[in-house]
Amino acid sequence: NSKVIQTPRYLVKGQGQKAKMRCIPEKGHPVVFWYQQNKNNEFKFLINFQNQEVLQQIDMTEKRFSAECPSNSPCSLEIQSSEAGDSALYLCASSLETKNAEQFFGPGTRLTVL
Amino acid sequence: TQTVSQSDAHVTVFEGDSVELRCNYSYGGSIYLSWYIQHHGRGLQFLLKYYSGNPVVQGVNGFEAEFSKSDSSFHLRKASVHWSDSAVYFCAVSSSNSGTYQRFGTGTKLQVVP
Repeated sequence: NSKVIQTPRYLVKGQGQKAKMRCIPEKGHPVVFWYQQNKNNEFKFLINFQNQEVLQQIDMTEKRFSAECPSNSPCSLEIQSSEAGDSALYLCASSLETKNAEQFFGPGTRLTVL
Repeated sequence: TQTVSQSDAHVTVFEGDSVELRCNYSYGGSIYLSWYIQHHGRGLQFLLKYYSGNPVVQGVNGFEAEFSKSDSSFHLRKASVHWSDSAVYFCAVSSSNSGTYQRFGTGTKLQVVP
């Protein structure tokens, strides 16, 4: 069973507000992924880290999100100015390797933007 | 175009029946394939993976999947389903040609009738 912790489980924001969520990866996992799952079960990769360094991110993340994985602190993903289309389940996953390794998922943060 | 396709959005079977959930992909390079289960309102739980070796892989709770390079498929099977297997199942693919993150299908909702 996964031990990835995500907080909060639910987040409600108005349009234009900041929305911040956190993730504690499994102990010893240096790689962290963030995905967005919308109501149609479409997944979008957002960003991933190896330790504190960004490995890959999509254009949307670069422009509207800020994310970090500081050492000895939870990873975080923050939407700078929430839009209605950002309403989704945000999933954090951690892994031992950057690829070809099992990803362990947290329960997600469900964001609703009113 | 790189795609992951789960052709059946919904599958309904009776408890004790066998089931096969289909996954097809189109990716180049070496492939890493996974199946996940998502119960309502929860995160993804890992079922099994394939990277190399025996094309039939065993997973948790009696699930298995078979990789076929010729068919570009990685179908999930279970010989005898239980009502608790009711959930949404996602196929995921990553490849050496397409970065470190996984691409997900849009899921198959399995309903097991007691």
